[in-house]
Amino acid sequence: EPEVTQTPSHQVTQMGQEVILRCVPISNHLYFYWYRQILGQKVEFLVSFYNNEISEKSEIFDDQFSVERPDGSNFTLKIRSTKLEDSAMYFCASSRQRVEAFFGQGTRLTVV
Amino acid sequence: AQSVTQLDSQVPVFEEAPVELRCNYSSSVSVYLFWYVQYPNQGLQLLLKYLSGSTLVKGINGFEAEFNKSQTSFHLRKPSVHISDTAEYFCAVSGYGGSQGNLIFGKGTKLSVKP
Repeated sequence: EPEVTQTPSHQVTQMGQEVILRCVPISNHLYFYWYRQILGQKVEFLVSFYNNEISEKSEIFDDQFSVERPDGSNFTLKIRSTKLEDSAMYFCASSRQRVEAFFGQGTRLTVV
Repeated sequence: AQSVTQLDSQVPVFEEAPVELRCNYSSSVSVYLFWYVQYPNQGLQLLLKYLSGSTLVKGINGFEAEFNKSQTSFHLRKPSVHISDTAEYFCAVSGYGGSQGNLIFGKGTKLSVKP
């Protein structure tokens, strides 16, 4: 069964450093998403991506964040200068028809 | 804009008992509704979804949910739970149109099944 794959599963980084979280969506999917879940809080939408551009973003997704689909398979989330409050579980998701999203296992980002 | 309220943060229940996890939503547009499950240290897995048609939808692992438009609810039910159902359950909504596909989640309900 096809699945969304995220790497790494856990990343520790120092405040102010740049991090790139990687995702391989399901191969025939067209819509890609990033969500985050701060410990003990709800899962929050960050950004959606379609046809090589951002289709929607939340107010959380400020200039520190960027997304890219550098090739035909990867979808990345970059945080330029991490802050303590960026510590969270980050989930990548993909969908074929923008209705049913399939989620990856998540990357736990810890900023120290 | 949409919002989702899960009324219970924790639900303890004994094995083989029935369970209902409550979810209410608000939206100014028509919506799609979803329930996701998160097992410890794992990602989000889709349990079931309501897109249109029959208001009673069946999902994996014996779960079902009923869409009630007048009460803006989408409660999740299972007639007999197992220990393996212990997990956190998230109700989510997405609207038609431009934001379709962008999910708004509730805060989650932790289901704890005791022997």
